[in-house]
Amino acid sequence: IAGITQAPTSQILAAGRRMTLRCTQDMRHNAMYWYRQDLGLGLRLIHYSNTAGTTGKGEVPDGYSVSRANTDDFPLTLASAVPSQTSVYFCASSVTSDPGNTIYFGEGSWLTVV
Amino acid sequence: GQNIDQPTEMTATEGAIVQINCTYQTSGFNGLFWYQQHAGEAPTFLSYNVLDGLEEKGRFSSFLSRSKGYSYLLLKELQMKDSASYLCAVKDSNYQLIWGAGTKLIIKP
Repeated sequence: IAGITQAPTSQILAAGRRMTLRCTQDMRHNAMYWYRQDLGLGLRLIHYSNTAGTTGKGEVPDGYSVSRANTDDFPLTLASAVPSQTSVYFCASSVTSDPGNTIYFGEGSWLTVV
Repeated sequence: GQNIDQPTEMTATEGAIVQINCTYQTSGFNGLFWYQQHAGEAPTFLSYNVLDGLEEKGRFSSFLSRSKGYSYLLLKELQMKDSASYLCAVKDSNYQLIWGAGTKLIIKP
């Protein structure tokens, strides 16, 4: 049972470098999400996609971009990493974005920008 | 602004009962979720409430009062494995989930 697979699991990145966090789901879910989780703060939505071919901005989109070329994949790119982007990043998915649909999370990607 | 409040940390004894409260102020309401997150792991779904009242699922129950903007998660017969953070989240009028910072629950033998 795979569910949602994220890669890499952890990464140390020099400031200014470009980085793509990969996310793949095998549940054929329409909606996918990228969150970041920082100590003392709730999960914050970076970008989302309600269906393949569409994306939207969440609460904290600056410095990040996403694409949704197909149902399964939803990569998150940091164009030029900064130390404030040090965080745990969770990819998630749900059947649709409708209320009541459970959101399932990947195992997370720990990113440190130095 | 939108806000979800829950206690930062709680301590309870193995075998006991604990209630974790969550209050919310959001633009619209389309349901409230509780998730469990063990340290270093992903959040996992516990419960969903959209109507007022109590939803029971084994040792865990979740209560919702929409008029008061209030929910609680009740954990019975606590086990050491229940040591985790418990996250409250509300789906707003735009169908976006607004998350609380989580309550770290420490279980002592």
